[in-house]
Amino acid sequence: AQSVTQLDSQVPVFEEAPVELRCNYSSSVSVYLFWYVQYPNQGLQLLLKYLSGSTLVKGINGFEAEFNKSQTSFHLRKPSVHISDTAEYFCAVAGNAGNMLTFGGGTRLMVKP
Amino acid sequence: DVKVTQSSRYLVKRTGEKVFLECVQDMDHENMFWYRQDPGLGLRLIYFSYDVKMKEKGDIPEGYSVSREKKERFSLILESASTNQTSMYLCASSLDREWWVGYTFGSGTRLTVV
Repeated sequence: AQSVTQLDSQVPVFEEAPVELRCNYSSSVSVYLFWYVQYPNQGLQLLLKYLSGSTLVKGINGFEAEFNKSQTSFHLRKPSVHISDTAEYFCAVAGNAGNMLTFGGGTRLMVKP
Repeated sequence: DVKVTQSSRYLVKRTGEKVFLECVQDMDHENMFWYRQDPGLGLRLIYFSYDVKMKEKGDIPEGYSVSREKKERFSLILESASTNQTSMYLCASSLDREWWVGYTFGSGTRLTVV
């Protein structure tokens, strides 16, 4: 079985500041990791994913994440946030079968002017 | 682009009513999923389906059932709605042979049971 823990339920940050949203996972098998974003009153959209290869993954809207196997983490980062990045962010993990995702509890990013 | 369409954005139902939430996808995806989303609890899987007429329980199936008579449509049924089923419901789909693409989500249905 696998699980995902998002360590912060809310992250307030000022516009143009850097941000890191933390995600830790547990799994007994090889993992595939995803970050999704949910803007207000919308469904979830895929931001980026790690399947294999380079541990630094770049996604849409200037976000990137780093897979760290030894720390079982997949933290999401952006060097300079905008008001429009205000949303809820979900980390998810898939196991060997790949077709089932387990989601974390979500982190609400609040960007203030 | 794949589209996943949920028939209602907002619904208000009375306790004890039978409620149907509909989800349709237009890209021939084998896999379809129903989640509920509550603050602080993230997304919890209710039911999923890998094929027509096939269904599997997720983590919180109690009080729900599903129907998949056609590949493109996956319905969530609340047999007798209760106030603790007030939530946001999200439908998702994925292509089994290209699972690495991830899920495509609908916009959600916010259900209030009064």
